[in-house]
Order: sequence, then C-alpha cells, then structure tokens
Amino acid sequence: GQNIDQPTEMTATEGAIVQINCTYQTSGFNGLFWYQQHAGEAPTFLSYNVLDGLEEKGRFSSFLSRSKGYSYLLLKELQMKDSASYLCAVGPRSGNTGKLIFGQGTTLQVKP
Amino acid sequence: DVKVTQSSRYLVKRTGEKVFLECVQDMDHENMFWYRQDPGLGLRLIYFSYDVKMKEKGDIPEGYSVSREKKERFSLILESASTNQTSMYLCASTTRLDTQYFGPGTRLTVL
Repeated sequence: GQNIDQPTEMTATEGAIVQINCTYQTSGFNGLFWYQQHAGEAPTFLSYNVLDGLEEKGRFSSFLSRSKGYSYLLLKELQMKDSASYLCAVGPRSGNTGKLIFGQGTTLQVKP
Repeated sequence: DVKVTQSSRYLVKRTGEKVFLECVQDMDHENMFWYRQDPGLGLRLIYFSYDVKMKEKGDIPEGYSVSREKKERFSLILESASTNQTSMYLCASTTRLDTQYFGPGTRLTVL
C-alpha cells in the first residue's frame, strides 16, 4: 500500500526551532514536497527533495533519506505567522502526471 | 507567477442539485487535479487530467465527474449533491516535473 505519516499536531515557542517529521511508504519515488497551509487558505509550496540530504531555504530546511523513507521539515527562528498546517507529499512513481500522495498534515501552533 | 483560480470561494447548494466547480490556470500546464479536504482526512484526490479530454479517477471519484474541454480549464461536477459532499474543494495544476500550484479553494456546503 501507499502511506504517508506525520504527526497530527505540534506546539512550539516563538523564536525556537521545530522539526516536523514525515515517513512514507510508496510504490516508487519521484520526489518529496512540503507545503504550508494557513487556515482557510490553499496550500503553498515550500520545498522539494529528490536526492538525499538537506535543502536549505532561509528559515526553512528540508531533509530527505530515501533509504529510510524519511523526511523532515525544519523551521528556525519561529514566528507567529508560521502557525499553519504543514503537508508532506510524495510523487509515488516516475512518470509525467505530476500526481502526488499527501499526508494528513501537521498543525503547528506557535505560542508567544 | 502561476495563477490558479476557482469559480467560487463559498457555495451553498441543496441536496440533489447538480453542482459545477470550475478551475482555470494560466500557465499552460498539462496536468490538473481536483481534491477535497476534510478535517482529519487530509487532501484526497478525486480526479485528475493529464491532457485535454483525458481524465483518470483518483482515490474517491464516486459521486463526481469531470470535464476538460480546454487545456486551461478543468471542471468538477457533482451530479446530484449530497450532504456528505460538504467539504473544501481544491484545484491544482502542474507541469510534468514541477510542484503543484493550488487555487484558493471552494468551500461547498450541501444542505
């Protein structure tokens, strides 16, 4: 089967660092995406990993280990506006449809 | 910037009505998708299309149909709306090897 797991909820303090984990089991692999979704809004793209290692983009970094079926999103210097849901998504097989499988999302609450 | 628009942000319909949700993208993307998003269930794929007049069922196609007559437009049709189709509906588009770009969503309530 195809499965993506991430924690349902997390809480962190403004200015701190938080790591949101994602594990996946899919038939094939064609890249892993992280999206941010504020309440009542559409998901927006944050990062994409297709090779093992860390991709850094400002305060946000994303890590991938294909052998372990594991990724994490690291948010540094947390701000109140980072309170949102974070969705992990995997492209399950090579091909050209752009189809993704989404996890249920992790709701992050940043407290003062 | 990629722009994906959806015909309505909020929609209220009655049980049994035929409902049309429209999605338009302006980036000449081949692939378009319709999802529904419900609390605790995440994003679930209803249908997708990889070319004009081409479509494939997603994970939950029952009760829905789609139409793609032009490359930029992908419509989701609820043939006979039911209360369990009350949800947030999200459209997305992408090229073959790129991220998906989402529209703002339509919150549909079926009474």
